[in-house]
Amino acid sequence: EAGVAQSPRYKIIEKRQSVAFWCNPISGHATLYWYQQILGQGPKLLIQFQNNGVVDDSQLPKDRFSAERLKGVDSTLKIQPAKLEDSAVYLCASSDRPFMAYEQYFGPGTRLTVT
Amino acid sequence: AQKITQTQPGMFVQEKEAVTLDCTYDTSDQSYGLFWYKQPSSGEMIFLIYQGSYDEQNATEGRYSLNFQKARKSANLVISASQLGDSAMYFCAMRGVKSGGGADGLTFGKGTHLIIQP
Repeated sequence: EAGVAQSPRYKIIEKRQSVAFWCNPISGHATLYWYQQILGQGPKLLIQFQNNGVVDDSQLPKDRFSAERLKGVDSTLKIQPAKLEDSAVYLCASSDRPFMAYEQYFGPGTRLTVT
Repeated sequence: AQKITQTQPGMFVQEKEAVTLDCTYDTSDQSYGLFWYKQPSSGEMIFLIYQGSYDEQNATEGRYSLNFQKARKSANLVISASQLGDSAMYFCAMRGVKSGGGADGLTFGKGTHLIIQP
């Protein structure tokens, strides 16, 4: 079974530029999550999708971050415009069901550096 | 709001010794889940073990066990017979239940950097 795929793996941009990250979850997984992991910290949930609907985006900085999951499969996270403090690893995870005990499978992440 | 506290930024342990990684949590939810993840230097997050708040027995998965003390709100990870490959960051995490059903995303602690020495 293929894991969660993310691209690109690395991205360097200047502040005020735009950037987009792509995630393809495990086949059949209805729940998709985006996390932001700043160096030296644990991941922080940005947004949770159930199929193609947003379940939780309470921690997403909506003035600059946006995410979509068209057709309930792959997802794109965008930052526009980027700030220095957006430098982090962006992790995508998916789960078969949005219930308590169901494990979240993480992708390898996209490391973003904003200069 | 949920909060996870990991008070050990780093630990050095001799190979083959047992190690306990501390985790305390805070939540007002009655139903919640506690998780431990391992993150090697390569960056991927690897699920280790899960404990439900209503589970009466402590969870075990191979060399990993979770010492769950509900009254103290602690969920420590115990690794028996540590190996060099256990060197990594370890994150404690929790999730609660949404008011409309289903579960939240994970809330993570800051992690503990474990180094196993030969």
